[in-house]
Amino acid sequence: SQTIHQWPATLVQPVGSPLSLECTVEGTSNPNLYWYRQAAGRGLQLLFYSVGIGQISSEVPQNLSASRPQDRQFILSSKKLLLSDSGFYLCAFVAGTSGGLYNEQFFGPGTRLTVL
Amino acid sequence: SQQGEEDPQALSIQEGENATMNCSYKTSINNLQWYRQNSGRGLVHLILIRSNEREKHSGRLRVTLDTSKKSSSLLITASRAADTASYFCATVHGGSNYKLTFGKGTLLTVNP
Repeated sequence: SQTIHQWPATLVQPVGSPLSLECTVEGTSNPNLYWYRQAAGRGLQLLFYSVGIGQISSEVPQNLSASRPQDRQFILSSKKLLLSDSGFYLCAFVAGTSGGLYNEQFFGPGTRLTVL
Repeated sequence: SQQGEEDPQALSIQEGENATMNCSYKTSINNLQWYRQNSGRGLVHLILIRSNEREKHSGRLRVTLDTSKKSSSLLITASRAADTASYFCATVHGGSNYKLTFGKGTLLTVNP
């Protein structure tokens, strides 16, 4: 079965510190991977997506970056966090098949980041 | 442009009643997906409906899609207190690499 993991679950970081959030997917090959951010009481905003190893597309200009070093690993990073980077970060995937991709997008449990 | 606008923003009902949430979007879609989010948790996938489908069911959930009106509805029948959550619709557009565009969601409260 397909599963998605994110860690850490919660994180409190000072302004100006670096960030690394990790997401891994199991049970599928060649998935599309996505990073979203959810501000308090709001919907989700897509930050980055990846259709393959080393392929990253950015949706909004920001202080963050993403990398995909392995097929089922997606990392969200920052060199220096800002207060505005606080939020709930969700990783998601669309599973790959031999002929392409399924349509459903599934989400991980999320990381709640507080920047002080 | 903002897609997947849900209404109402908040809905409060009694256990056993039906809950209907609506979603509108602006441009043509490949499919539309509904999600549930319990407070502070990740999103749970409920139903996907394709642009050539008009209605889908899953247990107590019924989703309709009207592409001529660019709208969808999610009906939860015989609601339970455990259905209390935020509900989001998200749209996928052709050629978008399956990216989802979310609305702000409907907060459903089911009172016991």
